[in-house]
Amino acid sequence: DAGVIQSPRHEVTEMGQEVTLRCKPISGHDYLFWYRQTMMRGLELLIYFNNNVPIDDSGMPEDRFSAKMPNASFSTLKIQPSEPRDSAVYFCASRQFPTGVEAFFGQGTRLTVV
Amino acid sequence: TQLLEQSPQFLSIQEGENLTVYCNSSSVFSSLQWYRQEPGEGPVLLVTVVTGGEVKKLKRLTFQFGDARKDSSLHITAAQPGDTGLYLCAGVDRGSTLGRLYFGRGTQLTVWP
Repeated sequence: DAGVIQSPRHEVTEMGQEVTLRCKPISGHDYLFWYRQTMMRGLELLIYFNNNVPIDDSGMPEDRFSAKMPNASFSTLKIQPSEPRDSAVYFCASRQFPTGVEAFFGQGTRLTVV
Repeated sequence: TQLLEQSPQFLSIQEGENLTVYCNSSSVFSSLQWYRQEPGEGPVLLVTVVTGGEVKKLKRLTFQFGDARKDSSLHITAAQPGDTGLYLCAGVDRGSTLGRLYFGRGTQLTVWP
């Protein structure tokens, strides 16, 4: 397996534009997590899914953020409209729980909103 | 409010020195994990500790889980430049069956040659 795949690796966009981040989890993993990492706040959990169903989205900053998981092999995180304070590295991770304890992370998407 | 507090936040040492970083919480976890993150990459799991008082060794790294399963420490002996990175602890909520991981903010370690 190629691991968790995220795209794009880097995204630069203007304030007000829509941004879509993509994630392909490891095949067979039933949990998918979206995290945001900044120097100030560290690694924050935004939302996570179990078997494609959102379980907890309490970490989503506001209504501008939305996430979907239409099937077991694909998830998106959308920001509309984007703001400069959304600039961060966004990570997707997948896990097979409870049989597997390790969370496997993608390489992240570095988002810059100017 | 962070569920897991890590200290120190930054650590800069010379090659060959020993160091300890800490991960503390007021909550009990069913297990606790340590990850290392290098620049431009996602975190990668180093170890999982499950039993209170458990000690695990990974070459020069020693991990300990507190007896009450609320805290953990990572000790590195004779640090090397390759140990440089962000060390993150993550706890699995004891009361949760839903697989959520809570992460600390991490300790940024720099080892100078």
